[in-house]
Amino acid sequence: DVQMTQSPSTLSASVGDSVTITCRASQSISYWLAWFQQKPGKAPKLLIYKASILESGVPSRFSGNGSGTEFTLTISSLQPDDFATYYCQQYNSYSRAFGQGTKVEIK
Amino acid sequence: QVQLQQWGAGLVTPSETLSLTCAVHGASLSEYYWTWVRQPPGKGLEWIGEINHTGSASYNPSLKSRVTISVDTSKNQFSLKLTSVTAADTAVYYCARTGAGAQWLVLMGWGQGTLVTVSS
Repeated sequence: DVQMTQSPSTLSASVGDSVTITCRASQSISYWLAWFQQKPGKAPKLLIYKASILESGVPSRFSGNGSGTEFTLTISSLQPDDFATYYCQQYNSYSRAFGQGTKVEIK
Repeated sequence: QVQLQQWGAGLVTPSETLSLTCAVHGASLSEYYWTWVRQPPGKGLEWIGEINHTGSASYNPSLKSRVTISVDTSKNQFSLKLTSVTAADTAVYYCARTGAGAQWLVLMGWGQGTLVTVSS
């Protein structure tokens, strides 16, 4: 099974900061990776798919990069609404594993 | 606008079977793949499995022996059954749909979530 490892687990930042979250796959998943944002008590929301394609309606301050086994999600200028937990998910093979999540909190 | 409405028992006795159903509004089951994901309290997301309108299903290997996902095309619904539950199966369960085309297999839309507690 493909395992997904995110880092860091928690990230403290201020409004306006640029932050990057890393997601590593245990084997190559090409570019079959999505990023989700989740707020407490809510279902996840799709941000990016196919590693770098921004979902419609998602602000352009979010960007994704990578292929193979290493991927990043960057938020270029953190806004108050961006404080949440972020998950990567591979959809190259079954288990369709998620990363363990990265909580972005206010510094 | 595709909407998913889910329901099922919120309390299940250990060793019994968890059952949830998700109704699809605004789309036909034939248009997408349909998925179940769960999230234990305070923890991360776990993909349970997916199914298409023909009933062809795939499951997380770690849950495969206990999971069945099925479709009812006449009602435009799909369902989850998880047998022999334990406290470790306590979680918020979400139904979700994947996309089409370039968004094939991408989780595009989610139900509201159902908290299922396993306890006697």
